[in-house]
Amino acid sequence: DADVTQTPRNRITKTGKRIMLECSQTKGHDRMYWYRQDPGLGLQLIYYSFDVKDINKGEISDGYSVSRQAQAKFSLSLESAIPNQTALYFCATSDPDGPGELFFGEGSRLTVL
Amino acid sequence: AQSVAQPEDQVNVAEGNPLTVKCTYSVSGNPYLFWYVQYPNRGLQFLLKYITGDNLVKGSYGFEAEFNKSQTSFHLKKPSALVSDSALYFCAVRAFLLAWSGGSYIPTFGRGTSLIVHP
Repeated sequence: DADVTQTPRNRITKTGKRIMLECSQTKGHDRMYWYRQDPGLGLQLIYYSFDVKDINKGEISDGYSVSRQAQAKFSLSLESAIPNQTALYFCATSDPDGPGELFFGEGSRLTVL
Repeated sequence: AQSVAQPEDQVNVAEGNPLTVKCTYSVSGNPYLFWYVQYPNRGLQFLLKYITGDNLVKGSYGFEAEFNKSQTSFHLKKPSALVSDSALYFCAVRAFLLAWSGGSYIPTFGRGTSLIVHP
């Protein structure tokens, strides 16, 4: 089983719908992240969390919200999806005691029509 | 501003030839530098990192990277490319962002370089 699991892997939805992307991890890491990948733009940080009570906005948080339900679970929500949120979304974790390399899930491809 | 630049969108190399994927960075203080690889329809996988010590670091799949402080570069290299090395490569640096806890280091990524190895 994967250490970082994202669901769903693929989702097609319509403008205005609420969408939740879920992430769970078995690595025991306190730090979790949500990134968005667009072609040619690399990875952009949406939100990050250093523990259950610590949630912070990244560089592109507008239109998104998150919930850290437990150490192992970190969900990303789009309250009212719009077409320019069509992208590949990645969840990642890191060990706070380590140098900082990230461990990624396989990604969630979201298409907003 | 703290940032990473990957100046080439795409690198083409023939199988068996050496390859280099370039990365330059800008960061306050000492950098922690990383390379990741992304195969089609997959998440990013960690390849190697520079923390301190020897400027030449070795990683997975025969890749290595050279840290050059004076040129603020961290180029990824491999002596002999394989077709299976074709993928998207990302350079990343730990950057500092303020959080309620007083501050911490968040990785910042470059835009990625597509490596194409021709048979």
